[in-house]
Amino acid sequence: TQLLEQSPQFLSIQEGENLTVYCNSSSVFSSLQWYRQEPGEGPVLLVTVVTGGEVKKLKRLTFQFGDARKDSSLHITAAQPGDTGLYLCAGTGAGSYQLTFGKGTKLSVIP
Amino acid sequence: EPEVTQTPSHQVTQMGQEVILRCVPISNHLYFYWYRQILGQKVEFLVSFYNNEISEKSEIFDDQFSVERPDGSNFTLKIRSTKLEDSAMYFCASSRDSQNIQYFGAGTRLSVL
Repeated sequence: TQLLEQSPQFLSIQEGENLTVYCNSSSVFSSLQWYRQEPGEGPVLLVTVVTGGEVKKLKRLTFQFGDARKDSSLHITAAQPGDTGLYLCAGTGAGSYQLTFGKGTKLSVIP
Repeated sequence: EPEVTQTPSHQVTQMGQEVILRCVPISNHLYFYWYRQILGQKVEFLVSFYNNEISEKSEIFDDQFSVERPDGSNFTLKIRSTKLEDSAMYFCASSRDSQNIQYFGAGTRLSVL
């Protein structure tokens, strides 16, 4: 069974600060997706990474896939209150289409 | 922008009743999925569907569950005899190809009383 551990579980920071959240596993993933989920809504896709060592940027968000494709990180620069939400990582294993989700990091950015 | 749509947004049912949750995937997508999220827990995979048949299913997806693509646009999840522990948010997702970038609907909240 593939598991994804996300840390920290909760993060509260001041507006303008930088932060990094992590997604770790002992398993290799073919691809890894980051989602953001608001209360009572479905996960909204932010980015997909597929190549070990890959880095993708989405405005102030930087996503990295580990060289061994077992871990990933999300770095937010100069966080804003609009970044508040639940950030989920989810991966697929070789030969499978099912997404395995982590429990998420709940981010609060205080104005 | 195309999106996955789910109906109803909230379904309340009595224990033992059958429910059908409906989804309209993105129109040019070929792979369809159901996930569920019990309150306060992580999103869990139920089933994937491709070429009119189930391609993968989890241990959660037992004989009480079934999926169907009755026409060219809808994808349904049926729970035959609901239990209290089936109460959860149910999410439908779809992806276009083997790159497997999955897009999720807003979910149906199922409450079993």
